[in-house]
Amino acid sequence: AQSVTQLDSQVPVFEEAPVELRCNYSSSVSVYLFWYVQYPNQGLQLLLKYLSGSTLVESINGFEAEFNKSQTSFHLRKPSVHISDTAEYFCAVRTQGGSEKLVFGKGTKLTVNP
Amino acid sequence: DGGITQSPKYLFRKEGQNVTLSCEQNLNHDAMYWYRQDPGQGLRLIYYSQIVNDFQKGDIAEGYSVSREKKESFPLTVTSAQKNPTAFYLCASSNYRDPAGQYFGPGTRLTVT
Repeated sequence: AQSVTQLDSQVPVFEEAPVELRCNYSSSVSVYLFWYVQYPNQGLQLLLKYLSGSTLVESINGFEAEFNKSQTSFHLRKPSVHISDTAEYFCAVRTQGGSEKLVFGKGTKLTVNP
Repeated sequence: DGGITQSPKYLFRKEGQNVTLSCEQNLNHDAMYWYRQDPGQGLRLIYYSQIVNDFQKGDIAEGYSVSREKKESFPLTVTSAQKNPTAFYLCASSNYRDPAGQYFGPGTRLTVT
């Protein structure tokens, strides 16, 4: 079985500061990895995903995440955050070639302050 | 516009009543899912369906029921047997065997008093 640990439940930062949201996973088989973002009272939106190939993946709004197999991590980073990045971020994992079920972490609430 | 719709956005019920949450998708996706979200708990899978007329229990299926009579629709019934039904419910869909991830609806917030 897979599991996902998001190490910080809340991360407060100031606008234009860098941020890293940490995600570690556990799995005995190869996995696909995802980051989703949720704005208040809305559904989840896919932010970025790692399926194969380059271990560094980027989103269109400046976020990036790096897959580190040896450390079983998939941390999310942004070099300079905006107020509009305030949201909850979820890391998720699913097995390659197996069930389509996603296993989610408990989420990290990012608050960007002016 | 392709997407997933959930209705209503907010739902209020008295304890002891069954309630059905709607989920419709026009993405032509094979698989559909229901999740429950509680503060600080992340998302927990209630039921999922990979094809029409077939569905499987997720991690917290007790007190819930589903049907999948049409590819586009996957309604969730919260029964009176669900001990703590107040939560935010999210529906999602994906293509079978497509690793690209799941697409989520806007959610329904159910309050039972």
